[in-house]
Amino acid sequence: NAGVMQNPRHLVRRRGQEARLRCSPVKGHSHVYWYRQLPEEGLKFMVYLQKENIIDESGMPKERFSAEFPKEGPSILRIQQVVRGDSAAYFCASSLGVRDRVNYGYTFGSGTRLTVV
Amino acid sequence: AQSVSQHNHHVILSEAASLELGCNYSYGGTVNLFWYVQYPGQHLQLLLKYFSGDPLVKGIKGFEAEFIKSKFSFNLRKPSVQWSDTAEYFCAVKMGSQGNLIFGKGTKLSVKP
Repeated sequence: NAGVMQNPRHLVRRRGQEARLRCSPVKGHSHVYWYRQLPEEGLKFMVYLQKENIIDESGMPKERFSAEFPKEGPSILRIQQVVRGDSAAYFCASSLGVRDRVNYGYTFGSGTRLTVV
Repeated sequence: AQSVSQHNHHVILSEAASLELGCNYSYGGTVNLFWYVQYPGQHLQLLLKYFSGDPLVKGIKGFEAEFIKSKFSFNLRKPSVQWSDTAEYFCAVKMGSQGNLIFGKGTKLSVKP
């Protein structure tokens, strides 16, 4: 299955530590999106990246959160100095991009469940 | 503000009952519309999508949805639900030229055997 791979599936961090979440998109997909899902809520958009570029980060908190999608390797969502409120499921999705109207669509990964203790 | 609303937070049905889940969005331009399903502990799976053409879209597992542009709606339907349809259902909209999707808060469906 060459879907979106996210790791780790579960991540536990103490308050103040750093969390790194990884996302490998579907082979051939150059667009990556990160979403956060809190209990009883839908998915909230965080950031949209293409290779080496951040296209839209309007949903990212201004502090402690950053994302990258390097030329080689997975996309990384990094949360510094985690707090309890960061506990959530973080989903990554990839796509071919908005120009591919026939095949346009997102493929989601299984998510990383972050628990801050 | 651009938003997606799902009217029902939790729907409980008996097997063989008909299902309709509401979804409305607030955006006056071109939209692409999606319904996703999330089974417990799993990732989102695409049920169906609408880009253009016939506003009645058929998806997997017997689901369908109808785009009514004048009502800004994209309701999901299934004539006869099964216990295995128990899951959370999310409506999502791509608005205009934006790359990302905007999701509704989801509707939990519980089907009693």
